[in-house]
Amino acid sequence: SAVISQKPSRDICQRGTSLTIQCQVDSQVTMMFWYRQQPGQSLTLIATANQGSEATYESGFVIDKFPISRPNLTFSTLTVSNMSPEDSSIYLCSVELRGLSRGYTFGSGTRLTVV
Amino acid sequence: RKEVEQDPGPFNVPEGATVAFNCTYSNSASQSFFWYRQDCRKEPKLLMSVYSSGNEDGRFTAQLNRASQYISLLIRDSKLSDSATYLCVVILHTGGFKTIFGAGTRLFVKA
Repeated sequence: SAVISQKPSRDICQRGTSLTIQCQVDSQVTMMFWYRQQPGQSLTLIATANQGSEATYESGFVIDKFPISRPNLTFSTLTVSNMSPEDSSIYLCSVELRGLSRGYTFGSGTRLTVV
Repeated sequence: RKEVEQDPGPFNVPEGATVAFNCTYSNSASQSFFWYRQDCRKEPKLLMSVYSSGNEDGRFTAQLNRASQYISLLIRDSKLSDSATYLCVVILHTGGFKTIFGAGTRLFVKA
């Protein structure tokens, strides 16, 4: 199965600033997914990052707030822009495990605290 | 009603106990089912897929009941290391794919 390297693992940021999270996969994948997990909650899909096209955002998430890059089949970034304390959360990238019928694997997550 | 519902727990059980979690889903278009395990401050990791015929992996048994739209996870002979949050995951096949995570069931296994 794919191995994902995600960084940073954690950060504490001032409100109004932006943070870019990176995910590197050790194999080529068609789609990469970005999730948010707020304290005590389950995972919520932010967007699907497709190589060579715009990311597809879920309801409640917009490109201006969460711009995504997907320059090639092994790498993606998610930026959390103009942060507020409500953005404090764990952000996770994910890829399919050789087909959706096999589930997903996740990066180790980025624990973001906005002060 | 949530699309995927789990008892949040926590379940507090002694070592060696058998514990079962259920997860219900509301959309009959649901086609793929999984149990994930998430340790504190870690990412979710795939525990096992769930099939209609049921599947077993060591002390873990997963079952799917399509008629009643629920899946279950049974853990036998609980170990301290089983303490974690168990997430139910459902993938809907509706033209495209939509993945829905349950909120998780917290398990504490005590010595």
